[in-house]
Amino acid sequence: DSGVTQTPKHLITATGQRVTLRCSPRSGDLSVYWYQQSLDQGLQFLIQYYNGEERAKGNILERFSAQQFPDLHSELNLSSLELGDSALYFCASSEQGGQAIYGYTFGSGTRLTVV
Amino acid sequence: DQQVKQNSPSLSVQEGRISILNCDYTNSMFDYFLWYKKYPAEGPTFLISISSIKDKNEDGRFTVFLNKSAKHLSLHIVPSQPGDSAVYFCAASANQGAQKLVFGQGTRLTINP
Repeated sequence: DSGVTQTPKHLITATGQRVTLRCSPRSGDLSVYWYQQSLDQGLQFLIQYYNGEERAKGNILERFSAQQFPDLHSELNLSSLELGDSALYFCASSEQGGQAIYGYTFGSGTRLTVV
Repeated sequence: DQQVKQNSPSLSVQEGRISILNCDYTNSMFDYFLWYKKYPAEGPTFLISISSIKDKNEDGRFTVFLNKSAKHLSLHIVPSQPGDSAVYFCAASANQGAQKLVFGQGTRLTINP
């Protein structure tokens, strides 16, 4: 157990629907990162939050949004889902103020299947 | 634009031999590099890292080499063990880790007994 908790582990939904993925960071970590891994692709950075504030944005679609709450858990909202959104979604956290120098700690991911 | 590239999708190595995984990058602003290991149904786990001020970092069986002029890094695992079978991701960051990590596509390493 890495200490980063992601729920649900699996999600199957229909095109056009909206889903929410949840992440609880490791205790004491202030930064949360969301990554998407599509089939045979590397991890694509979506967005980072640090202590409740958006810190950096990657190739995140406008249909996707995220937030980090006062208790530091984060949610990634995916709406108007398309078949191409099927992927593994990873959350990671880090202890320093947004620095990756010690490496992120990843959760085990949420596998989203859009049918 | 794929700033971090792992050109070998897969690699098969005999147990006990050396495994060499390669990674190339294009962004000269990258100054911190990491390797992650991923087992099926798990998230990636941090393995080893190197700062651009070094050209080698060693941790047990794992050694990472950095060639800044070639914008190339490699991970050596010796001796390779069956438990090393996993997908390995190379990642890079700018500003000594203050920037987000950019990952390569991964290399699936299989260690054969």
